[in-house]
Amino acid sequence: GAGVSQTPSNKVTEKGKYVELRCDPISGHTALYWYRQSLGQGPEFLIYFQGTGAADDSGLPNDRFFAVRPEGSVSTLKIQRTERGDSAVYLCASSPDKNYGYTFGSGTRLTVV
Amino acid sequence: DQQVKQNSPSLSVQEGRISILNCDYTNSMFDYFLWYKKYPAEGPTFLISISSIKDKNEDGRFTVFLNKSAKHLSLHIVPSQPGDSAVYFCAASVSNYQLIWGAGTKLIIKP
Repeated sequence: GAGVSQTPSNKVTEKGKYVELRCDPISGHTALYWYRQSLGQGPEFLIYFQGTGAADDSGLPNDRFFAVRPEGSVSTLKIQRTERGDSAVYLCASSPDKNYGYTFGSGTRLTVV
Repeated sequence: DQQVKQNSPSLSVQEGRISILNCDYTNSMFDYFLWYKKYPAEGPTFLISISSIKDKNEDGRFTVFLNKSAKHLSLHIVPSQPGDSAVYFCAASVSNYQLIWGAGTKLIIKP
Protein backbone atom coordinates (compact mmCIF):
# COMPACT_ATOMS: atom_id res chain seq x y z
CA GLY A 1 0.00 0.00 0.00
CA ALA A 2 0.89 3.64 -0.17
CA GLY A 3 1.32 4.16 3.54
CA VAL A 4 1.95 2.34 6.79
CA SER A 5 -1.11 0.34 7.76
CA GLN A 6 -1.91 -0.62 11.34
CA THR A 7 -4.65 -2.98 12.43
CA PRO A 8 -6.84 -2.92 14.34
CA SER A 9 -7.35 0.82 14.70
CA ASN A 10 -8.97 0.25 18.08
CA LYS A 11 -8.71 -2.65 20.49
CA VAL A 12 -10.46 -3.06 23.82
CA THR A 13 -9.34 -5.99 25.92
CA GLU A 14 -9.75 -7.23 29.45
CA LYS A 15 -6.95 -7.07 31.95
CA GLY A 16 -4.86 -10.24 31.79
CA LYS A 17 -5.64 -11.04 28.16
CA TYR A 18 -3.17 -11.39 25.29
CA VAL A 19 -3.23 -8.98 22.34
CA GLU A 20 -1.50 -8.71 18.97
CA LEU A 21 -1.10 -5.48 17.06
CA ARG A 22 -0.17 -5.59 13.39
CA CYS A 23 1.88 -3.23 11.28
CA ASP A 24 2.18 -3.32 7.49
CA PRO A 25 5.07 -1.03 6.50
CA ILE A 26 5.58 0.71 3.19
CA SER A 27 6.75 -1.83 0.63
CA GLY A 28 10.54 -1.94 0.41
CA HIS A 29 11.18 -0.16 3.71
CA THR A 30 13.78 -2.16 5.59
CA ALA A 31 13.55 -0.26 8.87
CA LEU A 32 10.50 -0.57 11.11
CA TYR A 33 9.85 1.06 14.47
CA TRP A 34 7.28 0.70 17.21
CA TYR A 35 6.46 3.61 19.52
CA ARG A 36 3.88 3.98 22.28
CA GLN A 37 2.06 7.22 23.03
CA SER A 38 0.24 7.68 26.30
CA LEU A 39 -2.32 10.42 26.79
CA GLY A 40 -0.75 13.88 26.95
CA GLN A 41 2.72 12.64 26.14
CA GLY A 42 4.94 12.30 23.13
CA PRO A 43 5.67 8.93 21.54
CA GLU A 44 8.06 6.67 23.42
CA PHE A 45 10.43 4.33 21.56
CA LEU A 46 9.81 0.61 21.98
CA ILE A 47 11.73 -1.36 19.34
CA TYR A 48 13.52 -1.00 16.00
CA PHE A 49 13.81 -3.67 13.31
CA GLN A 50 16.31 -3.68 10.49
CA GLY A 51 15.06 -6.38 8.15
CA THR A 52 13.94 -9.41 10.14
CA GLY A 53 16.02 -8.78 13.24
CA ALA A 54 15.32 -6.56 16.22
CA ALA A 55 18.30 -4.22 16.12
CA ASP A 56 17.27 -2.41 19.30
CA ASP A 57 14.58 -3.56 21.72
CA SER A 58 15.76 -1.42 24.62
CA GLY A 59 12.46 0.46 24.82
CA LEU A 60 10.26 -2.56 25.53
CA PRO A 61 9.00 -1.92 29.09
CA ASN A 62 9.16 -5.53 30.33
CA ASP A 63 9.07 -9.14 29.20
CA ARG A 64 5.31 -9.07 28.62
CA PHE A 65 6.06 -7.16 25.42
CA PHE A 66 7.49 -8.89 22.37
CA ALA A 67 7.64 -8.02 18.67
CA VAL A 68 8.44 -10.04 15.56
CA ARG A 69 9.04 -9.36 11.90
CA PRO A 70 9.63 -12.84 10.48
CA GLU A 71 9.84 -12.00 6.77
CA GLY A 72 11.20 -8.49 7.02
CA SER A 73 7.90 -6.87 6.15
CA VAL A 74 4.83 -7.15 8.41
CA SER A 75 5.51 -6.81 12.12
CA THR A 76 3.41 -7.90 15.08
CA LEU A 77 3.66 -6.41 18.55
CA LYS A 78 2.52 -8.92 21.15
CA ILE A 79 1.49 -8.06 24.69
CA GLN A 80 0.88 -10.81 27.24
CA ARG A 81 -1.14 -10.50 30.46
CA THR A 82 -2.23 -6.98 29.61
CA GLU A 83 -2.46 -4.41 32.38
CA ARG A 84 -4.47 -1.20 32.55
CA GLY A 85 -1.22 0.76 32.31
CA ASP A 86 -0.66 -0.69 28.83
CA SER A 87 -3.52 1.45 27.54
CA ALA A 88 -2.05 3.79 24.93
CA VAL A 89 -1.81 4.42 21.21
CA TYR A 90 0.75 2.10 19.66
CA LEU A 91 2.40 3.68 16.63
CA CYS A 92 4.34 1.91 13.92
CA ALA A 93 6.65 3.67 11.47
CA SER A 94 8.88 2.58 8.62
CA SER A 95 11.70 4.10 6.60
CA PRO A 96 13.85 3.06 3.64
CA ASP A 97 16.84 2.62 5.93
CA LYS A 98 17.62 3.62 9.48
CA ASN A 99 17.15 7.36 9.35
CA TYR A 100 14.81 9.96 10.64
CA GLY A 101 12.51 10.02 7.65
CA TYR A 102 9.88 7.89 9.32
CA THR A 103 6.41 7.45 7.89
CA PHE A 104 3.98 6.67 10.68
CA GLY A 105 0.80 4.68 10.58
CA SER A 106 -2.36 5.96 12.23
CA GLY A 107 -1.78 3.84 15.28
CA THR A 108 -3.73 1.26 17.27
CA ARG A 109 -5.54 2.62 20.30
CA LEU A 110 -5.36 -0.10 22.95
CA THR A 111 -7.67 0.12 25.94
CA VAL A 112 -7.29 -2.40 28.76
CA VAL A 113 -10.36 -2.56 31.02
CA ASP B 1 13.60 12.95 33.57
CA GLN B 2 12.27 14.60 30.44
CA GLN B 3 15.11 15.21 28.01
CA VAL B 4 12.90 17.10 25.55
CA LYS B 5 10.39 19.59 26.90
CA GLN B 6 7.61 21.54 25.27
CA ASN B 7 6.38 23.78 28.04
CA SER B 8 3.33 25.19 26.28
CA PRO B 9 0.52 22.64 26.05
CA SER B 10 -1.38 24.91 23.68
CA LEU B 11 -1.00 28.06 21.60
CA SER B 12 -3.64 30.15 19.87
CA VAL B 13 -2.66 32.38 16.92
CA GLN B 14 -4.60 34.56 14.52
CA GLU B 15 -4.66 33.42 10.90
CA GLY B 16 -1.98 35.22 8.89
CA ARG B 17 0.23 35.91 11.91
CA ILE B 18 3.42 34.13 12.96
CA SER B 19 3.21 30.99 15.10
CA ILE B 20 6.25 30.29 17.28
CA LEU B 21 6.52 26.88 18.93
CA ASN B 22 9.27 26.30 21.45
CA CYS B 23 11.23 23.29 22.62
CA ASP B 24 13.98 22.88 25.23
CA TYR B 25 16.30 19.94 25.71
CA THR B 26 18.76 18.82 28.34
CA ASN B 27 21.00 16.31 26.58
CA SER B 28 23.94 18.08 24.92
CA MET B 29 24.67 14.90 22.94
CA PHE B 30 21.59 15.36 20.76
CA ASP B 31 22.79 15.91 17.20
CA TYR B 32 19.58 16.00 15.22
CA PHE B 33 16.26 17.68 15.88
CA LEU B 34 12.92 17.31 14.16
CA TRP B 35 9.41 18.72 14.22
CA TYR B 36 6.39 16.55 13.55
CA LYS B 37 2.78 17.56 13.07
CA LYS B 38 -0.13 15.40 14.17
CA TYR B 39 -3.82 15.59 13.34
CA PRO B 40 -6.39 13.70 15.47
CA ALA B 41 -6.62 9.98 14.70
CA GLU B 42 -3.58 10.13 12.43
CA GLY B 43 0.08 9.30 12.96
CA PRO B 44 2.66 12.09 13.24
CA THR B 45 3.97 13.44 9.93
CA PHE B 46 7.48 14.78 9.48
CA LEU B 47 7.64 18.55 9.00
CA ILE B 48 11.20 19.85 9.17
CA SER B 49 14.53 18.97 10.74
CA ILE B 50 17.87 20.50 11.66
CA SER B 51 21.31 19.11 12.31
CA SER B 52 23.26 20.36 15.33
CA ILE B 53 25.89 21.83 13.00
CA LYS B 54 23.37 24.36 11.75
CA ASP B 55 21.40 27.09 13.48
CA LYS B 56 18.61 27.57 10.96
CA ASN B 57 16.72 25.55 8.38
CA GLU B 58 13.93 26.86 6.22
CA ASP B 59 11.29 25.12 4.14
CA GLY B 60 8.57 27.31 2.71
CA ARG B 61 6.48 28.77 5.53
CA PHE B 62 8.37 26.73 8.14
CA THR B 63 11.68 27.70 9.73
CA VAL B 64 13.44 25.92 12.57
CA PHE B 65 16.00 27.75 14.69
CA LEU B 66 18.52 26.00 16.93
CA ASN B 67 20.35 27.69 19.81
CA LYS B 68 22.81 25.10 21.10
CA SER B 69 24.16 27.22 23.93
CA ALA B 70 20.66 27.64 25.32
CA LYS B 71 19.63 24.08 24.36
CA HIS B 72 16.58 25.55 22.71
CA LEU B 73 14.90 25.22 19.37
CA SER B 74 11.87 26.86 17.88
CA LEU B 75 9.58 26.39 14.92
CA HIS B 76 8.25 29.46 13.14
CA ILE B 77 5.25 29.25 10.83
CA VAL B 78 4.64 32.32 8.69
CA PRO B 79 1.93 33.07 7.72
CA SER B 80 -0.21 30.76 9.85
CA GLN B 81 -3.08 29.07 8.04
CA PRO B 82 -6.18 27.24 9.38
CA GLY B 83 -4.76 23.91 8.14
CA ASP B 84 -1.80 24.40 10.48
CA SER B 85 -4.07 23.67 13.47
CA ALA B 86 -2.64 20.46 14.89
CA VAL B 87 -0.42 19.13 17.66
CA TYR B 88 3.28 19.81 17.03
CA PHE B 89 5.95 17.56 18.50
CA CYS B 90 9.62 18.33 18.89
CA ALA B 91 11.93 15.30 18.78
CA ALA B 92 15.68 14.78 19.14
CA SER B 93 18.22 12.03 18.67
CA VAL B 94 21.78 11.01 19.50
CA SER B 95 21.66 8.07 17.13
CA ASN B 96 20.22 7.87 13.68
CA TYR B 97 16.97 6.11 14.42
CA GLN B 98 15.72 6.46 18.01
CA LEU B 99 13.84 9.68 18.69
CA ILE B 100 13.16 11.28 22.07
CA TRP B 101 9.95 13.29 21.92
CA GLY B 102 8.44 16.23 23.73
CA ALA B 103 4.84 16.12 24.98
CA GLY B 104 3.56 18.29 22.14
CA THR B 105 1.97 21.72 21.73
CA LYS B 106 -1.56 22.08 20.38
CA LEU B 107 -1.64 24.93 17.88
CA ILE B 108 -4.99 26.56 17.18
CA ILE B 109 -5.22 28.99 14.27
CA LYS B 110 -8.14 31.38 14.68
CA PRO B 111 -9.85 32.70 11.52
